[in-house]
Amino acid sequence: DQQAKQNSPSLSVQEGRISILNCDYTNSMFDYFLWYKKYPAEGPTFLISISSIKDKNEDGRFTVFLNKSAKHLSLHIVPSQPGDSAVYFCAASGRGSARQLTFGSGTQLTVLP
Amino acid sequence: DTGVSQNPRHKITKRGQNVTFRCDPISEHNRLYWYRQTLGQGPEFLTYFQNEAQLEKSRLLSDRFSAERPKGSFSTLEIQRTEQGDSAMYLCASSPDGILQGSPLHFGNGTRLTVT
Repeated sequence: DQQAKQNSPSLSVQEGRISILNCDYTNSMFDYFLWYKKYPAEGPTFLISISSIKDKNEDGRFTVFLNKSAKHLSLHIVPSQPGDSAVYFCAASGRGSARQLTFGSGTQLTVLP
Repeated sequence: DTGVSQNPRHKITKRGQNVTFRCDPISEHNRLYWYRQTLGQGPEFLTYFQNEAQLEKSRLLSDRFSAERPKGSFSTLEIQRTEQGDSAMYLCASSPDGILQGSPLHFGNGTRLTVT
């Protein structure tokens, strides 16, 4: 039962262009969404988050969009840089004391110089 | 703030042996989580502590797995009678308070377990 899905295992983008990573979720009880970045041999690193009461959150080159009716989350990176090459995971949290995160399976982003 | 520390980084063991991993969270983080990640998948939730109390366990956490967090500081995850299917990256994360308050989970670099 995969409650957060990233249907693109990989994405290649030219340096300077926009990278768009997508995530679909099925659990309507999710109310907080996050993106993590992971380099090889390291743990996931928090990138940006959004509450379900918003539809957009921006932090520098990174913008997260939330479409609640479509249960769809996206991360835009612009301009993309070679250092952005990593695996990106979407994650979601629902109500409950633990607030544990449910992760997607990840998208490998490669930014080509 | 030295981040979440996990030891060892790598562990190779033979099937049937017991293994124990340690996690030192960021100091004063009262929430601690264990996750497991296999190749090509995202991290999967195993268990959650608030201070020393283990408040939630996933169905993934079979009875061969046990976790503790004595005194609400570091945590250990033990796997008894390891099986080849236990081979994975075991990740620990901590948080000072709930996610809704804007504090995401901070992950360590994980312990990679290989069961031969």
